[in-house]
Amino acid sequence: NAGVTQTPKFQVLKTGQSMTLQCAQDMNHEYMSWYRQDPGMGLRLIHYSVGAGITDQGEVPNGYNVSRSTTEDFPLRLLSAAPSQTSVYFCASSYSRGAIYNEQFFGPGTRLTVL
Amino acid sequence: AQSVSQHNHHVILSEAASLELGCNYSYGGTVNLFWYVQYPGQHLQLLLKYFSGDPLVKGIKGFEAEFIKSKFSFNLRKPSVQWSDTAEYFCAVKDYGQNFVFGPGTRLSVLP
Repeated sequence: NAGVTQTPKFQVLKTGQSMTLQCAQDMNHEYMSWYRQDPGMGLRLIHYSVGAGITDQGEVPNGYNVSRSTTEDFPLRLLSAAPSQTSVYFCASSYSRGAIYNEQFFGPGTRLTVL
Repeated sequence: AQSVSQHNHHVILSEAASLELGCNYSYGGTVNLFWYVQYPGQHLQLLLKYFSGDPLVKGIKGFEAEFIKSKFSFNLRKPSVQWSDTAEYFCAVKDYGQNFVFGPGTRLSVLP
């Protein structure tokens, strides 16, 4: 199993540009999520999905869109990049949001810089 | 909403020193508790987890954590740290049917 994969690893954008961060998992996990990691703030949840066709907002959703057309893929779209979105983005997946015996598996991350 | 606090932002230790990193969460009920580690430039990896049963949980690389329900705590310990333990450590909590909530992280620097 490849686990959770993310592309690209690094990206530099100019303010106002849009882009999509890709995330895929091959563990047949229902639950997928996107976090951003900023120094001293830990991981903050951007959006999550409890299954194909179902997405919801997390703690910091503004400026980001997601969709979940398949169980495997959960792309994160930046609509109009801003310098405040400079961060490291992690995608994660787990068996189910409702399951009590559960852990999250993380992708390698995408380091995004917005100029 | 659930929140997680970690007592120390940055801990500096010499090799062979003992380690304890604090973690507290805001309210109880049935929770799952986790410690993740992030080595420099890498993604988060699971160190250990508590679901139920024995409140003393053993993880990889000699780490252990103790769940104290009355104190809403899940502190991470290691009797003797190594230089290779230099990393950032995140405590996380998951309530049934809810999202994972992560603490702000503790950076551990181990001096050789």
